[in-house]
Amino acid sequence: GNSVTQMQGQVTLSEEEFLFINCTYSTTGYPTLFWYVQYPGEGPQLLLKVTTANNKGSSRGFEATYDKGTTSFHLQKASVQESDSAVYYCVLGPDTNAYKVIFGKGTHLHVLP
Amino acid sequence: GALVYQYPRRTICKSGTSMRMECQAVGFQATSVAWYRQSPQKTFELIALSTVNSAIKYEQNFTQEKFPISHPNLSFSSMTVLNAYLEDRGLYLCGARDRNSGNTLYFGEGSRLIVV
Repeated sequence: GNSVTQMQGQVTLSEEEFLFINCTYSTTGYPTLFWYVQYPGEGPQLLLKVTTANNKGSSRGFEATYDKGTTSFHLQKASVQESDSAVYYCVLGPDTNAYKVIFGKGTHLHVLP
Repeated sequence: GALVYQYPRRTICKSGTSMRMECQAVGFQATSVAWYRQSPQKTFELIALSTVNSAIKYEQNFTQEKFPISHPNLSFSSMTVLNAYLEDRGLYLCGARDRNSGNTLYFGEGSRLIVV
């Protein structure tokens, strides 16, 4: 079945450092891929999404490429800010083969001032 | 824009009592609503997927008898946690799918259940 893997449970960076959060997926279909961000005390918010393979999505300085070849959807940001501290979830949308939305386990980003 | 409101934000209930939570989609039509429980470790468990005019699909380990859901129209859904016990604690999230935005889920801020 469909699955999503986020290996990093926690990432700690200083402000202005480069962010890379690893995400790989497994699917037989062509689902939309998402990144959601959850700030403390809030529900998850959509950060970006990519519907078509080999396309890139970007929002607020974050970007991710839907790479069918490596089955990856890594999240990157050139220069993080303290306000980016949150939990980031890589999410596999439903498709014709699977009705469920699959969440990765989440990566807690902690940005030091 | 698309917004989802959840109510109540937080409930403390005695063991064995029940809690009802509501989910309202504003600014879009929610073709389906997914109810999740988020554990303290932050992982998401899908409880059920509710689509208007279709049967509600419950995941393994979750039943209609324990988590009855109502989804009467494209903007509102409610779920009740019946006979809540310690293992039912957590943040319950409603994710509403926007029919005009592919499969994007818009989440409310969650209803936190504390059982004492």
